[in-house]
Amino acid sequence: NAGVTQTPKFQVLKTGQSMTLQCAQDMNHEYMSWYRQDPGMGLRLIHYSVGAGITDQGEVPNGYNVSRSTTEDFPLRLLSAAPSQTSVYFCASSYFSDYGYTFGSGTRLTVV
Amino acid sequence: TQLLEQSPQFLSIQEGENLTVYCNSSSVFSSLQWYRQEPGEGPVLLVTVVTGGEVKKLKRLTFQFGDARKDSSLHITAAQPGDTGLYLCAGAWNTGNQFYFGTGTSLTVIP
Repeated sequence: NAGVTQTPKFQVLKTGQSMTLQCAQDMNHEYMSWYRQDPGMGLRLIHYSVGAGITDQGEVPNGYNVSRSTTEDFPLRLLSAAPSQTSVYFCASSYFSDYGYTFGSGTRLTVV
Repeated sequence: TQLLEQSPQFLSIQEGENLTVYCNSSSVFSSLQWYRQEPGEGPVLLVTVVTGGEVKKLKRLTFQFGDARKDSSLHITAAQPGDTGLYLCAGAWNTGNQFYFGTGTSLTVIP
């Protein structure tokens, strides 16, 4: 099993550019989430999904969009990148919200 | 808004020493998880606790959930260099809700 796969691993964007961070899981998990991790801030929830076709906002959703057309995929879109979005982004999945999450290895994004 | 406080933020100890790290909230958790993260990787789940007063052991790691379900601790006995990493707690305040993470405790175990 591949688990949770995130691509790309590294990305540099210019301010104002858009891009999509990809996340795929092969464990048939219903629950998927996106977090960003910044120094001294821990992991902050951006968006989450409880199943295909259902998404909701987390703590820091501004500037990001998500969709969940299949159980396996949960892409995160940056609409117009800003330097404040420089961070490490993690995708996570779980059978159910009270189960432990399986995390991807992260995408390190730099916005210049 | 950071709902979970972890302490200490940084901890550097010698191999063989014992240590305890803490996770606290002013609200009652429905459940709480502990993760360990190594540089360049995503967090890896260590344990989930759901019952007040619950104690779980994972080899040299002992996890305790407070009686009031507002706090938790992680105790490591005879720390080893392989224990080095960022220890994160994550709590949910209602069953079925998302987990929110603390800022973590960065542990360094010196050989």
